[in-house]
Amino acid sequence: DAMVIQNPRYQVTQFGKPVTLSCSQTLNHNVMYWYQQKSSQAPKLLFHYYDKDFNNEADTPDNFQSRRPNTSFCFLDIRSPGLGDAAMYLCATSRIDGLMSSYEQYFGPGTRLTVT
Amino acid sequence: SQQGEEDPQALSIQEGENATMNCSYKTSINNLQWYRQNSGRGLVHLILIRSNEREKHSGRLRVTLDTSKKSSSLLITASRAADTASYFCATEASRGSTLGRLYFGRGTQLTVWP
Repeated sequence: DAMVIQNPRYQVTQFGKPVTLSCSQTLNHNVMYWYQQKSSQAPKLLFHYYDKDFNNEADTPDNFQSRRPNTSFCFLDIRSPGLGDAAMYLCATSRIDGLMSSYEQYFGPGTRLTVT
Repeated sequence: SQQGEEDPQALSIQEGENATMNCSYKTSINNLQWYRQNSGRGLVHLILIRSNEREKHSGRLRVTLDTSKKSSSLLITASRAADTASYFCATEASRGSTLGRLYFGRGTQLTVWP
């Protein structure tokens, strides 16, 4: 089945130790997103790729970066994780068509990041 | 902030009853979407309603949109224990470079008791 896959599902890292989360999709969608969701809070958009164009949210910390080497894969890099970065990280995909209409987003199961 | 705000924050009902959740937002939108999230899982898309639409149905779900009041509602009819989850509304603003960007509200935690 077409889907959005996130690896790993659970990640434990040490304070200040770089970590990379991965996302892949089989939907061939041209847009991929990364969200951060803390307990009992709304998912917060960090950034997204529209094809190869990277779009950062104004309040996303510099500590967070992303790469999209091809249509199917997208990575979230946290350069120096702090205790406040512990959260669920959700990857999503969507499509924007030639008429510049956007559609629903398909989410992966998330990666729960713990910082010790 | 252009994110939606759901009301109520928590809703507890019996199986068979209807559940209504409301969402208010601040800016003009291209579309508004409702998502469901089971505890510790990813979000599942339920319904997308565009700014020129007023009502959409999907199975037991009914969504309305009132752009003049900047509000939307999600109705789940004949609820089941399996409907227990958090429900989020998300808006895509119509101004600036917001195409494809969704901003989520805090969600409504729905509990359906058997």
